[in-house]
Amino acid sequence: GAGVSQTPSNKVTEKGKYVELRCDPISGHTALYWYRQSLGQGPEFLIYFQGTGAADDSGLPNDRFFAVRPEGSVSTLKIQRTERGDSAVYLCASSKREDADTQYFGPGTRLTVL
Amino acid sequence: AQSVTQPDIHITVSEGASLELRCNYSYGATPYLFWYVQSPGQGLQLLLKYFSGDTLVQGIKGFEAEFKRSQSSFNLRKPSVHWSDAAEYFCAVGAGGGSNYKLTFGKGTLLTVNP
Repeated sequence: GAGVSQTPSNKVTEKGKYVELRCDPISGHTALYWYRQSLGQGPEFLIYFQGTGAADDSGLPNDRFFAVRPEGSVSTLKIQRTERGDSAVYLCASSKREDADTQYFGPGTRLTVL
Repeated sequence: AQSVTQPDIHITVSEGASLELRCNYSYGATPYLFWYVQSPGQGLQLLLKYFSGDTLVQGIKGFEAEFKRSQSSFNLRKPSVHWSDAAEYFCAVGAGGGSNYKLTFGKGTLLTVNP
């Protein structure tokens, strides 16, 4: 079946602009996660959804970052007033309720803030 | 807080040679440990995971890992490397306390395979 998909694959924006990154999880997966991977680093946890609600948003770096999952499927990560330090690959993952420890990752969105 | 150290940034092996990638973790209780592989343009793929029980864990693609509590290590091994194994490998630990979904990753080890 289809894996986790993320759009766009690349996004270039200017400092101060607003961006939205989309994640389509595997069908039937109730849990969804966002991670950020900076150059030369491992992925860093941002937020976890179980269904429609954000069960854990402790990894969001500041209030410029926000994520939603209104219907319990597709999720959007929103970044306001982007800064150059936000440049990274944003990864999305999903998992089944009965196997929550196995996360399936998408290919990521590479965000570049000029 | 939990942490993961992967001491080797880059490893080069010859095709057919054995492989061991090192991972050391810092965690108070019995950790949930994972190894992921990331190929260019592709998402992270889970190779194997350890929660409890047998300390030698078998994974996909012929990989295995051994949990050693006394050394706080979870090294990944493969007896004979194939050219297609060239990729970046990440070790990760779950946060524990009901939050094992929150993975802390190491910085990764880039594997190059020479023909």
